[in-house]
Amino acid sequence: SAVISQKPSRDICQRGTSLTIQCQVDSQVTMMFWYRQQPGQSLTLIATANQGSEATYESGFVIDKFPISRPNLTFSTLTVSNMSPEDSSIYLCSAIDTHYGYTFGSGTRLTVV
Amino acid sequence: SQQGEEDPQALSIQEGENATMNCSYKTSINNLQWYRQNSGRGLVHLILIRSNEREKHSGRLRVTLDTSKKSSSLLITASRAADTASYFCATAALTGTASKLTFGTGTRLQVTL
Repeated sequence: SAVISQKPSRDICQRGTSLTIQCQVDSQVTMMFWYRQQPGQSLTLIATANQGSEATYESGFVIDKFPISRPNLTFSTLTVSNMSPEDSSIYLCSAIDTHYGYTFGSGTRLTVV
Repeated sequence: SQQGEEDPQALSIQEGENATMNCSYKTSINNLQWYRQNSGRGLVHLILIRSNEREKHSGRLRVTLDTSKKSSSLLITASRAADTASYFCATAALTGTASKLTFGTGTRLQVTL
């Protein structure tokens, strides 16, 4: 299956700052997604990262807070902007490969202090 | 919320015993998938069952799907300490973007020696 390299694996950030998370896939994939997993909770879809166009956000998530880029078929970034302690979560990217199906990055554990 | 429900929320068993987890969902689906997550890290895809399938096996895993009841179960036979993890079901919707996954609330499995 496709392999996703996600970084950073963890970070501790000051409130009011921004963090950009990167995901690199080792092959071209049709779709990429970003999820948030709050402490002790399940995964919630933030947005679908569209190649060459604006991301499609789920209800409750906005571009100003979570800008996403996807410049090509193997790479995407998620920025968590103007962070507050409530943004402390694990953020995961995911991709769909037409041959192998779904795969997930190893996650970024974000702590905002 | 469209999130599925899983039960039990937590399960503790001894090595060698079987573990059964249940998942209920709310909408018509294209497929249902089960994932494992170790220690809040990335997700590992375990098995996918399509809406026209009723049962699927993969090694020590057995998944059933009852679309009339909108429910699925995951059975892990002869459990091992290494099976200790959180397990999530995820559904891909029948309409709209079938690729988007909606995750259940998860079951935390503890396998003791």
